[in-house]
Amino acid sequence: LAKTTQPISMDSYEGQEVNITCSHNNIATNDYITWYQQFPSQGPRFIIQGYKTKVTNEVASLFIPADRKSSTLSLPRVSLSDTAVYYCLVGLLQGPMEYGNKLVFGAGTILRVKS
Amino acid sequence: NAGVTQTPKFQVLKTGQSMTLQCAQDMNHNSMYWYRQDPGMGLRLIYYSASEGTTDKGEVPNGYNVSRLNKREFSLRLESAAPSQTSVYFCASKGQGYGYTFGSGTRLTVV
Repeated sequence: LAKTTQPISMDSYEGQEVNITCSHNNIATNDYITWYQQFPSQGPRFIIQGYKTKVTNEVASLFIPADRKSSTLSLPRVSLSDTAVYYCLVGLLQGPMEYGNKLVFGAGTILRVKS
Repeated sequence: NAGVTQTPKFQVLKTGQSMTLQCAQDMNHNSMYWYRQDPGMGLRLIYYSASEGTTDKGEVPNGYNVSRLNKREFSLRLESAAPSQTSVYFCASKGQGYGYTFGSGTRLTVV
């Protein structure tokens, strides 16, 4: 079961690009990397998922180096509404979840965006 | 709107009381999950159901039971509530596509 390590918190200002790095040294060959966002009093929300290299959607980009032992979530030009907790998860995402492959949420990274 | 619906949103129980948290999804997802989240912590998996008719324990199953009533519904039962079960409970579901879809949570306080 791949464990992830993220910074506990980060501060940024509106309009800046924010990069949150996640370490997952024990990632398995079949594991995907997924990032979630959670606002206070809400459930987590899926942001982006990737396996290798770079993935981009309308919200964020995900950079994964060749060894896949880390990944970086990049949020372009953040706004106050991006203040949230961001979770990096590693696990098998296709098909039913088996016990050994369940996703585990760590404590996440608290991102505070200031004006 | 399609998604995961949890009821109730808030609940206060006395120690020893029982209750059932309800969860329903309308996305035809096979897998459903129950998580709890304590202040300042990430989510911890209580139970999950990989498909209709199956359930299995997660990281913190003690004190809970679940029922996968049908493909849509997955309930979580506390038989004898304890103060240590004060938490926010999230239900989630997952299909073949990307990511989990989470409900808005049930905030439970046990006094």
